[in-house]
Amino acid sequence: DQQVKQNSPSLSVQEGRISILNCDYTNSMFDYFLWYKKYPAEGPTFLISISSIKDKNEDGRFTVFLNKSAKHLSLHIVPSQPGDSAVYFCAASALTGNQFYFGTGTSLTVIP
Amino acid sequence: DARVTQTPRHKVTEMGQEVTMRCQPILGHNTVFWYRQTMMQGLELLAYFRNRAPLDDSGMPKDRFSAEMPDATLATLKIQPSEPRDSAVYFCASGNRGRTEAFFGQGTRLTVV
Repeated sequence: DQQVKQNSPSLSVQEGRISILNCDYTNSMFDYFLWYKKYPAEGPTFLISISSIKDKNEDGRFTVFLNKSAKHLSLHIVPSQPGDSAVYFCAASALTGNQFYFGTGTSLTVIP
Repeated sequence: DARVTQTPRHKVTEMGQEVTMRCQPILGHNTVFWYRQTMMQGLELLAYFRNRAPLDDSGMPKDRFSAEMPDATLATLKIQPSEPRDSAVYFCASGNRGRTEAFFGQGTRLTVV
């Protein structure tokens, strides 16, 4: 049973526009959320995280929003750049454990 | 430049053969994870260790998979016997307790024919 879901397998965006990647979770015990970025033939690399005590965290062009009542988070990239083309994984963990539960990923293509 | 190192990067083997994947976690990290990437499940957790002790291996098929940490610098994932459905990319990641992010290796792409 997938506890973290990314329902959009792929997304295409024009360079310079905003990319919005979505993630839903089912476990109300999750209180720490992360986004990873993965290029082909490489391992995922950490991008940005957010704790459940916040509803927004920003790092340069990347902002993560958390809506706890809806069990939903999103990653905004603005402006999008061709180098942002990658697979983005959402992950979540609970205070009671140390493992991360990952979604199935969204493949972002930024068109020059 | 601290990084998680996985070997081999690629492995092609025949069905029924034993496969061993190795991982060197980042020095000082006390938690090691093994993940498998599949199209349907995304990054699927197979097992994880803290301070070399296995904490959870419920994601692994017990009859054919085994994971160990012989010492703090080496984690292994073995499949015996391997089957075509085991073909996937296997990632090792390491991190520290305290809810920080995990750092991934480059993965082992396994093909069982």
